[in-house]
Amino acid sequence: EVQLVETGGGLIQPGGSLRVSCAASEFTVSSTYITWVRQAPGKGLEWVSVSYAGGATYYADSVKGRFTVSRDNSKNTVDVQMSGLRVEDTAVYYCARGPNYQHFMDVWGKGITVTVSS
Amino acid sequence: QSALTQPASVSGSPGQSITISCTGTNSDVGGYSYVSWYQHYSGEVPKLIIYDVNNRPSGVAHRFSGSKSGNTASLTISGLQAEDEADYYCASYTSRSTWVFGGGTKVTVL
Repeated sequence: EVQLVETGGGLIQPGGSLRVSCAASEFTVSSTYITWVRQAPGKGLEWVSVSYAGGATYYADSVKGRFTVSRDNSKNTVDVQMSGLRVEDTAVYYCARGPNYQHFMDVWGKGITVTVSS
Repeated sequence: QSALTQPASVSGSPGQSITISCTGTNSDVGGYSYVSWYQHYSGEVPKLIIYDVNNRPSGVAHRFSGSKSGNTASLTISGLQAEDEADYYCASYTSRSTWVFGGGTKVTVL
């Protein structure tokens, strides 16, 4: 079954760092782009980042300079390293697949919770 | 990177048709035919229901349809059913090679 699974969430203090991983099954991340989308409690979906198969990566202004996305094609994973975490980064983080040269997200992970609190 | 504008809530009776609007700018909705819509039940995973403005993925009910005029895209649910009660989000590719979501619309079936 084609799927994405996020791991690595948890409780972290403001200013701390956390790494969340997205592992793909039954397809290779090297042939797709992967987006990160988050949903803060009681809020809507917010686009966070996109990692294109060609290597380009883009970030929302709200996380630029603090989040870094990387790919490991050998492990078939895409990670997001979060640093300088803020209370407002508290959210469920989803990774989602977008087929190359297409412009939608057709497979989503179940999401993982990141809580930033002292 | 302002969010696309959606109404906070829309309601309708079973069997009725409802339309959710999604307004952006020339740099996103108006500049590309790359608007997608997602259905999201609380606690579950968002589901793609419309892509490229008006295309339905395999398995999505025909009562869901999409359109676009200028900087505004729309999702119409025809023959509203109780199971359609969920949050709906539009999303668009942008001129900066990024993405932007709408604020979401809560659909209530009366």
